[in-house]
Amino acid sequence: DAGVIQSPRHEVTEMGQEVTLRCKPISGHNSLFWYRQTMMRGLELLIYFNNNVPIDDSGMPEDRFSAKMPNASFSTLKIQPSEPRDSAVYFCASSLDLGSGYEQYFGPGTRLTVT
Amino acid sequence: TQLLEQSPQFLSIQEGENLTVYCNSSSVFSSLQWYRQEPGEGPVLLVTVVTGGEVKKLKRLTFQFGDARKDSSLHITAAQPGDTGLYLCAGGGADGLTFGKGTHLIIQP
Repeated sequence: DAGVIQSPRHEVTEMGQEVTLRCKPISGHNSLFWYRQTMMRGLELLIYFNNNVPIDDSGMPEDRFSAKMPNASFSTLKIQPSEPRDSAVYFCASSLDLGSGYEQYFGPGTRLTVT
Repeated sequence: TQLLEQSPQFLSIQEGENLTVYCNSSSVFSSLQWYRQEPGEGPVLLVTVVTGGEVKKLKRLTFQFGDARKDSSLHITAAQPGDTGLYLCAGGGADGLTFGKGTHLIIQP
């Protein structure tokens, strides 16, 4: 299995531009999670889906952030417009199902730099 | 909001030494997971503990879940440079996982 796939691995953009991060979860996994990691705040859960349906988006920082999961094998996280404080590593993770006992498998992350 | 405090935040020791890192909360969790993250990669699960007082061993790593299921510890015996990384604990509850900020561990040869 290829594991969770994220693209791009690195993104550098200017303030005000739209940024789209992409994720392909592990085949057969029903749950997908988007996280943001910074030194100051650690790993923060932004939003998660179960069976392609958004369950909890309370971690999304602002309306500039949006996420979609049009099918079981693809999800996007969009930031529009981007700001320098959005600079972070964004991780996508998937698990077999929701529930505290399920292992989450993380992708390699997208390092976003907004100048 | 359930918070997990990890300590120490940073730890640098010599190869061969033993160490313990901690994960504490005022909340009760149904499970506790430990992940290790290496630079440029995502976190990878090391272990899941679910029962209060549970102890699990993974080679030189020993994980313990507190009796009240509010805290956990990770003990590494005879640390090696390959143990270097960010160690994250994550508490499981109805809302999924809550991650601590992690312990940055450096093992110097």
